[in-house]
Amino acid sequence: GAGVSQSPRYKVAKRGQDVALRCDPISGHVSLFWYQQALGQGPEFLTYFQNEAQLDKSGLPSDRFFAERPEGSVSTLKIQRTQQEDSAVYLCASNRDRNTQYFGPGTRLTVL
Amino acid sequence: DQQVKQNSPSLSVQEGRISILNCDYTNSMFDYFLWYKKYPAEGPTFLISISSIKDKNEDGRFTVFLNKSAKHLSLHIVPSQPGDSAVYFCAASAQTGNQFYFGTGTSLTVIP
Repeated sequence: GAGVSQSPRYKVAKRGQDVALRCDPISGHVSLFWYQQALGQGPEFLTYFQNEAQLDKSGLPSDRFFAERPEGSVSTLKIQRTQQEDSAVYLCASNRDRNTQYFGPGTRLTVL
Repeated sequence: DQQVKQNSPSLSVQEGRISILNCDYTNSMFDYFLWYKKYPAEGPTFLISISSIKDKNEDGRFTVFLNKSAKHLSLHIVPSQPGDSAVYFCAASAQTGNQFYFGTGTSLTVIP
């Protein structure tokens, strides 16, 4: 079966541009997570959805970051007015239960 | 404040020998622990997990040990194979929360 997919795989943005990153979770997975992974670091939690409800957004670093999952499946992470410090790999993960998370390949965002 | 720590950024092991990767945590509320393996340009893939009610979980060549009193877990790979060369992340979660907390990773190189 299909795993978690993310698009685009690579994104280069000029400072100040808005970007939108897409995540297609595994079909039927209720929970969806977004993580940010800086170079040499582990993934850091950004936000969590259960179906369409965003239950935790405590990890979003600023109000320039916004995530949605309107129909409880596909999710979009939007970053407005990108800054150089936003450069990272953005990982999406989904799980059916608490026992594990299935990660997508990530989107590598580079802000120039 | 890093709640999950992997203090060894890298490890080199001869093929056929044992690889031991270590992880420490600070939050006593963590009750579920996972190990992920990550190849370059891919998302982390789930390897093995352990609940805090156990002190050992084994799956083929991979065994995870949990020492709750020391807030320490380790992953043993026996025998190590060149294909095991990757970055390994440990992660932890608490029953009361939604997110997984990741360590910074250990890069394992298995030398043929």
